[in-house]
Amino acid sequence: ETGVTQSPTHLIKTRGQQVTLRCSSQSGHNTVSWYQQALGQGPQFIFQYYREEENGRGNFPPRFSGLQFPNYSSELNVNALELDDSALYLCASSLQENSPLHFGNGTRLTVT
Amino acid sequence: GQQVMQIPQYQHVQEGEDFTTYCNSSTTLSNIQWYKQRPGGHPVFLIQLVKSGEVKKQKRLTFQFGEAKKNSSLHITATQTTDVGTYFCAGPAYGGSQGNLIFGKGTKLSVKP
Repeated sequence: ETGVTQSPTHLIKTRGQQVTLRCSSQSGHNTVSWYQQALGQGPQFIFQYYREEENGRGNFPPRFSGLQFPNYSSELNVNALELDDSALYLCASSLQENSPLHFGNGTRLTVT
Repeated sequence: GQQVMQIPQYQHVQEGEDFTTYCNSSTTLSNIQWYKQRPGGHPVFLIQLVKSGEVKKQKRLTFQFGEAKKNSSLHITATQTTDVGTYFCAGPAYGGSQGNLIFGKGTKLSVKP
């Protein structure tokens, strides 16, 4: 068990709505990354937070935003949901530079 | 842009047969990581290779990192039904932050008992 927990497990939203996904990282892991995994694809990097600051971003529009809190928890917010946002959203924490990622179980988001 | 490619996309084997998946990066990598994702699950870290030409073994799994640090392979000897899942390779994005990995599309392995 990696110690990374995500909530909720599943979520159904309507196009145009907003959603917040939550993650609790392993204690001591200062870095959290969020990934989007579409069906049949590999995970795609959204962004990373280190000590509550965004310090890396993938090719995702500004309506994808995040927060990291001092207690190793974090959030992914997506505004103005689109049908293509339907995917598995994965949170991953790591201990240090070039350390492997420890993924949570993910949140399955369906946008209708 | 930087890409990581994997072949084959799917592999169906009889239990006991061997299996190999290949990973190719468009750029030289500082390291390569392999993850396994069971159906309905999340990616789980298997191994990280750092050195050129490195070979590592985990029981029936053998991982190789190419001399040019642009390709890698995972070989499973005598597959078992517990090996079912999708195997991803991933490398750090060039100039990216530490958590920014570029994943391949994965090789989905099914094993017929």
